[in-house]
Amino acid sequence: DIQLTQSPSFLSASVGDRVTITCRASQGISSYLAWYQQKPGRAPKLLINAASTLQSGVPSRFSGSGSGTEFTLTIDSLQPEDFATYYCQQLNTYPPWTFGQGTKVEIK
Amino acid sequence: EVQLVESGGGLVQPGWSLRLSCAASGFSFSSHGMHWVRQAPGKGLEYVSSVSGNGRDTYYANAVKGRFTISRDNSKNTLYLQMGSLREEDMAVYYCARTYYHGVTPRGLDSWGQGTLVTVSS
Repeated sequence: DIQLTQSPSFLSASVGDRVTITCRASQGISSYLAWYQQKPGRAPKLLINAASTLQSGVPSRFSGSGSGTEFTLTIDSLQPEDFATYYCQQLNTYPPWTFGQGTKVEIK
Repeated sequence: EVQLVESGGGLVQPGWSLRLSCAASGFSFSSHGMHWVRQAPGKGLEYVSSVSGNGRDTYYANAVKGRFTISRDNSKNTLYLQMGSLREEDMAVYYCARTYYHGVTPRGLDSWGQGTLVTVSS
């Protein structure tokens, strides 16, 4: 199975900061990567698909990039509602479509 | 409005079985692959299983292969997960989720249920 490694696992930042989260795949997955946001007690929310396509309704301060084995999620000007845990997921060919271990973004 | 509602969770002893259900509404159920994803307390998301829209193709994480069976009844707009030989490490909130497509290409899971808690303890 394809493994995804996110870094960092934990991030402390302030409102207004620019934040970058990295997701590395154990083998090339082209652009078959999605990013999710999850808040405590809530189901995950799809933010970005195909590595860089913003899901409808997601603020433009979120962006994604990368292909192959290295991907990034960037949040420009972090807002209070962005403090959450973020996961990447690979959707290469057939399932299992594994997730990264998550990156928790907390308020500094 | 797309809605996914899980049910069937509860407290079971190790070795027991349990069946989860996910009732779908607000979209063409048979047109979407469906998935189960779980989250152990305080842990990250873990892929569990998938089924194609017509139910013919199924996939499993290694951790549940041979113990869990995913299925769907498109006439009832319902997804199932039959869980057998449950272990303490299966304890988690189980979410059902819908595939989001761009054309025919899966691009993510765009709708999720609220989750149902499975507790495995003696």
